[in-house]
Amino acid sequence: SQQGEEDPQALSIQEGENATMNCSYKTSINNLQWYRQNSGRGLVHLILIRSNEREKHSGRLRVTLDTSKKSSSLLITASRAADTASYFCATARNNMLTFGGGTRLMVKP
Amino acid sequence: DADVTQTPRNRITKTGKRIMLECSQTKGHDRMYWYRQDPGLGLQLIYYSFDVKDINKGEISDGYSVSRQAQAKFSLSLESAIPNQTALYFCATSDIQGYEQFFGPGTRLTVL
Repeated sequence: SQQGEEDPQALSIQEGENATMNCSYKTSINNLQWYRQNSGRGLVHLILIRSNEREKHSGRLRVTLDTSKKSSSLLITASRAADTASYFCATARNNMLTFGGGTRLMVKP
Repeated sequence: DADVTQTPRNRITKTGKRIMLECSQTKGHDRMYWYRQDPGLGLQLIYYSFDVKDINKGEISDGYSVSRQAQAKFSLSLESAIPNQTALYFCATSDIQGYEQFFGPGTRLTVL
């Protein structure tokens, strides 16, 4: 079974809009990571947030973590067509990652 | 050159055949992983290895075996392939801290 569950499963927006994806998990974690996957390709690490952090930024990405609610969100601001991909959260515990099912994001030009 | 490579990239085989998927890395990482991804779903861990003499089962190891031939090489075998093993297979590596994982390009396996 998967530790993380993403919501929504699919998201379609216009270029320039912001995209928000959510991840919920069940057990305590050391950190939470977000990865991106272009169609049929390997995953690429985007950002990591530690369990004692509440918010982190990297370029157009903003990640929040609420350990009391066991949830995280990924915000992509000013989206571009090139952001079209699947986004996965992965929870880290005991040096292992457990991936959620992903959010498929489509950004229309 | 890619840091994590997988061969073959695509493979079509028949039920009952033995298949080996290979992974090589030039990142110098000790930790290596094999994942399976089914269409529209996330990744499930098959096996992982924290160093050359270490092999551990993941969530879905039944029907699979692995070999860690060297720090840089980690292969996955399907002893007797079955159709529900049709999936995308990814190899990944991480350093000793195990934070970020680096993924190969994947092998698309079809079992007829």
